[in-house]
Amino acid sequence: GEDVEQSLFLSVREGDSSVINCTYTDSSSTYLYWYKQEPGAGLQLLTYIFSNMDMKQDQRLTVLLNKKDKHLSLRIADTQTGDSAIYFCAEIFYNQGGKLIFGQGTELSVKP
Amino acid sequence: DADVTQTPRNRITKTGKRIMLECSQTKGHDRMYWYRQDPGLGLQLIYYSFDVKDINKGEISDGYSVSRQAQAKFSLSLESAIPNQTALYFCATSDHRGNTGELFFGEGSRLTVL
Repeated sequence: GEDVEQSLFLSVREGDSSVINCTYTDSSSTYLYWYKQEPGAGLQLLTYIFSNMDMKQDQRLTVLLNKKDKHLSLRIADTQTGDSAIYFCAEIFYNQGGKLIFGQGTELSVKP
Repeated sequence: DADVTQTPRNRITKTGKRIMLECSQTKGHDRMYWYRQDPGLGLQLIYYSFDVKDINKGEISDGYSVSRQAQAKFSLSLESAIPNQTALYFCATSDHRGNTGELFFGEGSRLTVL
């Protein structure tokens, strides 16, 4: 079935690294995504990784993909209070016309 | 101005009332989606449309209907609202020509059914 799983909460201290984890189901997904939702706003694409990659780095963000275990993670280095938000993992189902299925979202709380 | 605009942003209604949430976009995208967000459940897909003549049910379409009036407009209706439809609703768009399948979201419509 279509199921993207994430833990619901993560709390870190400012300056620490945050790691948000996700498991997905469709091994044929070409892209996997991390979206960020700030309070009172819609979702915005934070980063994505192509399925033939194991890792993608973009400034403070590192995405790791383990296709064997269908596990995706997002690491935020030097986490700031402005990183407090809900982070959603999503995968694309090409066999269903390219629709995206989202995880439950992980609420990241950054304490000073 | 936002590229994906939802109206109304907030609505309180009573059980049994008919409600319409509207979405319009200026991005020129062909694909449009309606999601609902509930705490702890993430985003669930209600309906999606890949062009004006194409409407598809998502994971949780029961109790909802949609209309794609034009490429730029996609509305969601609750024919007879019930309290468990209280949620935050998001419209999103994408372009089938895009390389990554990225979705662009509106700011959400918060619906409360009493």
